[in-house]
Amino acid sequence: GENVEQHPSTLSVQEGDSAVIKCTYSDSASNYFPWYKQELGKRPQLIIDIRSNVGEKKDQRIAVTLNKTAKHFSLHITETQPEDSAVYFCAADTGRRALTFGSGTRLQVQP
Amino acid sequence: SQTIHQWPATLVQPVGSPLSLECTVEGTSNPNLYWYRQAAGRGLQLLFYSVGIGQISSEVPQNLSASRPQDRQFILSSKKLLLSDSGFYLCAWTQQRTGVAIEQFFGPGTRLTVL
Repeated sequence: GENVEQHPSTLSVQEGDSAVIKCTYSDSASNYFPWYKQELGKRPQLIIDIRSNVGEKKDQRIAVTLNKTAKHFSLHITETQPEDSAVYFCAADTGRRALTFGSGTRLQVQP
Repeated sequence: SQTIHQWPATLVQPVGSPLSLECTVEGTSNPNLYWYRQAAGRGLQLLFYSVGIGQISSEVPQNLSASRPQDRQFILSSKKLLLSDSGFYLCAWTQQRTGVAIEQFFGPGTRLTVL
């Protein structure tokens, strides 16, 4: 089955800096890659996603890139703000079963 | 628009007691439904998923079970809780999929503490 690895497990940046979180997947049939943000005690919220026919997608300060050949995808957050502090999860999906999640990255933005 | 509900929001149960958590989705029909568990400070573990009434796929063998008695209702149960069952239980849904992965949305969750 699919296996998703996520790095780093924790990330601390200064406000205004950029943050990058990386994930790799194992199943070449995966074609959908969402990113979720989970604030303390809350549900995971979908923040951006990308499909395998696209290499990059942007939404204001966040962007996701996908390298199908290398089977990895990344989340980029620019001009980080304290409210970006949360746990971020990547996931991969082949469409046949269910999302497979990475282990999460705890992002701390220092004011 | 679609909404997903879970109850109760929090629950404290003694070891060995039964469990029933409920999830309902509004504003859609024939959704795919999922149960996840999240231990404190950990990732999301898929427990069960369902593509239709009475159709349950179990991902992790354990003392939990799931049922889908109605199209938009998904229930997680246990006959006897263990300490290790403590965690944040999240229900999620997607529209019915036919081999194409689509957006998945989570419910507000139930925080279960087993003492």
